Amino acid sequence: KAGVTQTPRYLIKTRGQQVTLSCSPISGHRSVSWYQQTPGQGLQFLFEYFSETQRNKGNFPGRFSGRQFSNSRSEMNVSTLELGDSALYLCASTSPTEKRDTQYFGPGTRLTVL
Amino acid sequence: AQKITQTQPGMFVQEKEAVTLDCTYDTSDQSYGLFWYKQPSSGEMIFLIYQGSYDEQNATEGRYSLNFQKARKSANLVISASQLGDSAMYFCAMREPYSGAGSYQLTFGKGTKLSVIP
Repeated sequence: KAGVTQTPRYLIKTRGQQVTLSCSPISGHRSVSWYQQTPGQGLQFLFEYFSETQRNKGNFPGRFSGRQFSNSRSEMNVSTLELGDSALYLCASTSPTEKRDTQYFGPGTRLTVL
Repeated sequence: AQKITQTQPGMFVQEKEAVTLDCTYDTSDQSYGLFWYKQPSSGEMIFLIYQGSYDEQNATEGRYSLNFQKARKSANLVISASQLGDSAMYFCAMREPYSGAGSYQLTFGKGTKLSVIP
């Protein structure tokens, strides 16, 4: 079956703008998690959605938000972009039926803030 | 707070040789899961292998095996017969506590960059 897909793959924005990233999980997966990856901070957990409800949230400012739709697709939004938001944003999906609840990642969206 | 430590920023290995990537973790929970992911330059995180804290045997998946030493809180990844395509970043991650009903949040180490030399 198809893997996790993320759109767009690349984005260039300027400071102060907002951006929306999209993630389509593997078919049947109801959990979607988002991670931010930067050279300085590494991989950091942003939030997780399960059946349209945010189940967990990392230590990020309120400018970072997300949602999940009834078809399990998820979006994350970053408002008032800052230079430090430049990163690779990865989403991952899983399901209780997956062996060991393994998370499967998408190819990521590379965001550059100028 | 949980913590994952990967002490080797970079490693080199000759093609066809075995290599061990180190990972130590810190947790106060008895139930947890440990994962290894590979990240090529393209950016996608590829799942390699999993070890549960209650698993009695070390995990193996093809050329990947996990040297799990619970008392030492280490979960080292062993790649046998290295191939050029193994050149990538490798991340150790932990899910804590391990629960089918709980959050799937992973905490990652800083990673090890593996370079396979022909």
